[in-house]
Amino acid sequence: QSVLTQPPSVSAAPGQRVTISCTGSSSNIGARYDVHWYQQLPGTAPKLLIYGNSNRPSGVPDRFSGSKSGSSASLAITGLQAEDEADYYCQSYDRSLSGSVFGGGTKLTVL
Amino acid sequence: QVQLQESGPGLVKPSQTLSLTCTVSGGSISSGTYYWSWIRQPAGRGLEWIGRIYASGSTNYNPSLKSRVTISVDTSKNRFSLTLSSVTAADTALYYCARVKMFGVIEYYFDSWGQGTLVAVSS
Repeated sequence: QSVLTQPPSVSAAPGQRVTISCTGSSSNIGARYDVHWYQQLPGTAPKLLIYGNSNRPSGVPDRFSGSKSGSSASLAITGLQAEDEADYYCQSYDRSLSGSVFGGGTKLTVL
Repeated sequence: QVQLQESGPGLVKPSQTLSLTCTVSGGSISSGTYYWSWIRQPAGRGLEWIGRIYASGSTNYNPSLKSRVTISVDTSKNRFSLTLSSVTAADTALYYCARVKMFGVIEYYFDSWGQGTLVAVSS
């Protein structure tokens, strides 16, 4: 059972918009710690997608955006492309554990 | 561009100790702005943070693994290592090493990852 909760799967057609939620608690996201997102393409290592709730590293398309409110965060992907099909993970800091925690991951299927 | 490469045995017997090394290239492990971390992923499952180390040797561990984990650093060889003792089948996973970018006083994220190495625990 992951500390951060994500839906196991989401799907949408090419060109559409999809959002992935990440729900935490008062010891992590709700404690105002930032959320970071990773994309894991099939058979590859995770790659940093969003850091500090809404910042994109160099090279990440602006189709990807992040937001945070209260104890939850969201990753939005617009103009879906087949290459976006991957697993997405959220991550934050947890003060009870004094360390990093991840969501269970969400598998995005592009129909 | 920093690169990380994991290495170590792919098979460990139950009750024995798992040992992995992560070699860093394209940057110094002693760079003051980064920590270095281990993360694992059981097959078909999510990511689990194991722990992190600073070049000085300062460490932080996941409480669920703390009693069995040691992370060490060798700055002369630009690498850091993971040992996990008393392994069971539940420790079978893909093990990643990653660079840790600090984000504030205590928060951080993982900005570069190795390709991962599969470790199976089996007799």
